[in-house]
Amino acid sequence: NAGVMQNPRHLVRRRGQEARLRCSPMKGHSHVYWYRQLPEEGLKFMVYLQKENIIDESGMPKERFSAEFPKEGPSILRIQQVVRGDSAAYFCASSPSSGRTISYNEQFFGPGTRLTVL
Amino acid sequence: GESVGLHLPTLSVQEGDNSIINCAYSNSASDYFIWYKQESGKGPQFIIDIRSNMDKRQGQRVTVLLNKTVKHLSLQIAATQPGDSAVYFCAENPDNYGQNFVFGPGTRLSVLP
Repeated sequence: NAGVMQNPRHLVRRRGQEARLRCSPMKGHSHVYWYRQLPEEGLKFMVYLQKENIIDESGMPKERFSAEFPKEGPSILRIQQVVRGDSAAYFCASSPSSGRTISYNEQFFGPGTRLTVL
Repeated sequence: GESVGLHLPTLSVQEGDNSIINCAYSNSASDYFIWYKQESGKGPQFIIDIRSNMDKRQGQRVTVLLNKTVKHLSLQIAATQPGDSAVYFCAENPDNYGQNFVFGPGTRLSVLP
């Protein structure tokens, strides 16, 4: 039972290029979350998606960043015209469902993509 | 002591001793909390969770304590082992019906032989 998969694990881009980060949730999970982590800091929520829907993008920068989770295939976090400040580790997490249950749904994290912008 | 800003607070513990990692959360409306462990180069790994209607929850070698009055969480690790060396984050869910978790800044636990 594979966990959350992210690729690439490491991505180097020059300023102005585009970065595409992919996340395949755990089997049976239909909820995906993206977080950004700067060195020596905690994770910052970016966006929460279900299949074909963006549920909460309150943590996503308004410009250059976009995310999707199509009916088929992985979730994609896209960063256009990258700048040095975009250098960070980007983590994806998935959960089987949302809502309030007796035991909240744990978010399972992938290994992350480390983006370096030169 | 602790430092803020660019460097994570660090807790150094002797192998075999108990560790206590603290976290202050920000939103009094948060009703669900998780402790995560993050090893170098890896994603966060769930350790234990607690809801706001509880003040204590125990797992295997770990205990989470919740003090809602002062908005404080702690993670206690019994008989700390070298494999416990990692960064530990608390996360709170401030939105009663959402999935947006807010992570604390983290504490680096260093286990000394």
